[in-house]
Amino acid sequence: NAGVMQNPRHLVRRRGQEARLRCSPMKGHSHVYWYRQLPEEGLKFMVYLQKENIIDESGMPKERFSAEFPKEGPSILRIQQVVRGDSAAYFCASSPPSGGAHETQYFGPGTRLLVL
Amino acid sequence: SQQGEEDPQALSIQEGENATMNCSYKTSINNLQWYRQNSGRGLVHLILIRSNEREKHSGRLRVTLDTSKKSSSLLITASRAADTASYFCATDAEGIYNQGGKLIFGQGTELSVKP
Repeated sequence: NAGVMQNPRHLVRRRGQEARLRCSPMKGHSHVYWYRQLPEEGLKFMVYLQKENIIDESGMPKERFSAEFPKEGPSILRIQQVVRGDSAAYFCASSPPSGGAHETQYFGPGTRLLVL
Repeated sequence: SQQGEEDPQALSIQEGENATMNCSYKTSINNLQWYRQNSGRGLVHLILIRSNEREKHSGRLRVTLDTSKKSSSLLITASRAADTASYFCATDAEGIYNQGGKLIFGQGTELSVKP
């Protein structure tokens, strides 16, 4: 029973390029969350998605960032025109269909993005 | 300051000793969770305690929750070098501003257990 999978684990981009981060939730989970962790800090919520729906994107920057969770395939966090300040670890978590923060969220290993 | 603040920021103990970490939060909650993060790795869920519970145990872990003081503590008994990690509390921040998905994390406590 595989856990939450994220790829790539490490991603290096130059300023102005696009970064695409993928997350496959645990089997049977239909709720996905993205968090960002800056060095020496805790995790900050970005977005909460269910299949084909964005439920809460209150933590997502208004520009350059977007997220989707299509009917088929992984959830994608997309960062356009990356800047050095986007360098961080991006974690995905999933929870079962009852969903929400009332249930345990299971985290993936993260994608470490480095913007040169 | 943000919901979910851990105290102390860093803790260094000897193997075999107990480690206690505290977490304070600001709004009412449905539950509070504790996670562990080893350096450069993802988060591992340790324990979830609901707002109507006061204490919960899991192996060498003991978590307490005091909703009147808006605080929680995580106790690790008989610590081991392998317990060295950062520990985070996370709350769900009950209320209209949380549509049910957001976990709010503290800054974490960095625990170092020396052999």
